[in-house]
Amino acid sequence: GEDVEQSLFLSVREGDSSVINCTYTDSSSTYLYWYKQEPGAGLQLLTYIFSNMDMKQDQRLTVLLNKKDKHLSLRIADTQTGDSAIYFCAESAPMNTGFQKLVFGTGTRLLVSP
Amino acid sequence: DADVTQTPRNRITKTGKRIMLECSQTKGHDRMYWYRQDPGLGLRLIYYSFDVKDINKGEISDGYSVSRQAQAKFSLSLESAIPNQTALYFCATSESGRYNEQFFGPGTRLTVL
Repeated sequence: GEDVEQSLFLSVREGDSSVINCTYTDSSSTYLYWYKQEPGAGLQLLTYIFSNMDMKQDQRLTVLLNKKDKHLSLRIADTQTGDSAIYFCAESAPMNTGFQKLVFGTGTRLLVSP
Repeated sequence: DADVTQTPRNRITKTGKRIMLECSQTKGHDRMYWYRQDPGLGLRLIYYSFDVKDINKGEISDGYSVSRQAQAKFSLSLESAIPNQTALYFCATSESGRYNEQFFGPGTRLTVL
């Protein structure tokens, strides 16, 4: 079945880069996503990458996709205290109805210290 | 105003009680979802609906039922709550035809004693 794995915790200092890693199992995933969850709030899409791409950059965010190793990473440049949150990796996976559901990882809690 | 709202935000109930969680959206999206989030397990899909007449089971639908009363409203019911249904429940919406970007509500924290 589908499985998405992430490390549980990352701590960085303000101004440093953060790299959050994720491995997934479904090689047929069309899209892979990074969602952010702030305390007391729902998840918010940060960025996504189409499976035929190997990199996507969006301001401070860089997503790298290694399809051979089924590895996805999110790099946040110049990390700020406001980036402290839980980050979820997700892959799209087909269901028997044809619908592509999202399979989420367990989330990585990023703590940014001043 | 929030685009996806959930009520209640917190609920404590007892084993065996019937509970309904409600979700409303103003985004005009056709697709709606219910997920539960448990510590260390990420989010798991309970039910999803493509429109008012199209409702489908997700990965963990046992013990739950849903109703899509209108395009904007999707409710989740626990007919007889049990303690292992204690979790954080999220409603989400998306448009068909896009890259499945889902927009989440703020969540309902449910505790079953």
